Amino acid sequence: GENVEQHPSTLSVQEGDSAVIKCTYSDSASNYFPWYKQELGKRPQLIIDIRSNVGEKKDQRIAVTLNKTAKHFSLHITETQPEDSAVYFCAASNFNKFYFGSGTKLNVKP
Amino acid sequence: DVKVTQSSRYLVKRTGEKVFLECVQDMDHENMFWYRQDPGLGLRLIYFSYDVKMKEKGDIPEGYSVSREKKERFSLILESASTNQTSMYLCASSLRGDGYGYTFGSGTRLTVV
Repeated sequence: GENVEQHPSTLSVQEGDSAVIKCTYSDSASNYFPWYKQELGKRPQLIIDIRSNVGEKKDQRIAVTLNKTAKHFSLHITETQPEDSAVYFCAASNFNKFYFGSGTKLNVKP
Repeated sequence: DVKVTQSSRYLVKRTGEKVFLECVQDMDHENMFWYRQDPGLGLRLIYFSYDVKMKEKGDIPEGYSVSREKKERFSLILESASTNQTSMYLCASSLRGDGYGYTFGSGTRLTVV
């Protein structure tokens, strides 16, 4: 089955800096890669996703890049703000079933 | 506008009890999933269902069963609760097919004493 690894497990940045979270996956058949943000005590929410026929996707301060050859994808957050503090999960999917990374706790210091 | 509802936010049960966790979605989604979330382990899939009365084991099905009698409802059953099943349980649903993100419920924090 699929194996998704996520790094780092914790990340602390100063407000205004950029943050990068990286994931690798093992199953070359995976073709959909969503990212979820989970604030303390709340449900995970989809923030951005990318499909395997696209190399990069951007939505305001958030971007995701995908390298299918190397089987890795990354989340980039620019101009971080305190409200970006949360746990972020990456996932890889091959037709419906998702495999999640172990999560990255991002702390943005004011 | 909550679309995936988990019946309980917090539950405390005794070892050996049979426990039911309920999840209801109002989006007419075909797929429904149960995950448990533990610190450092992320989200691990327990069971999932692609259709009514259909179920498939995920990565950690031992000690759990599920029921999907209606499209909108997916129940997770702990046959005989044990302390190692103390966890946060998240239900999710999605449309069938590739590339549709999950909608998660708010979670049920279960403590087995």
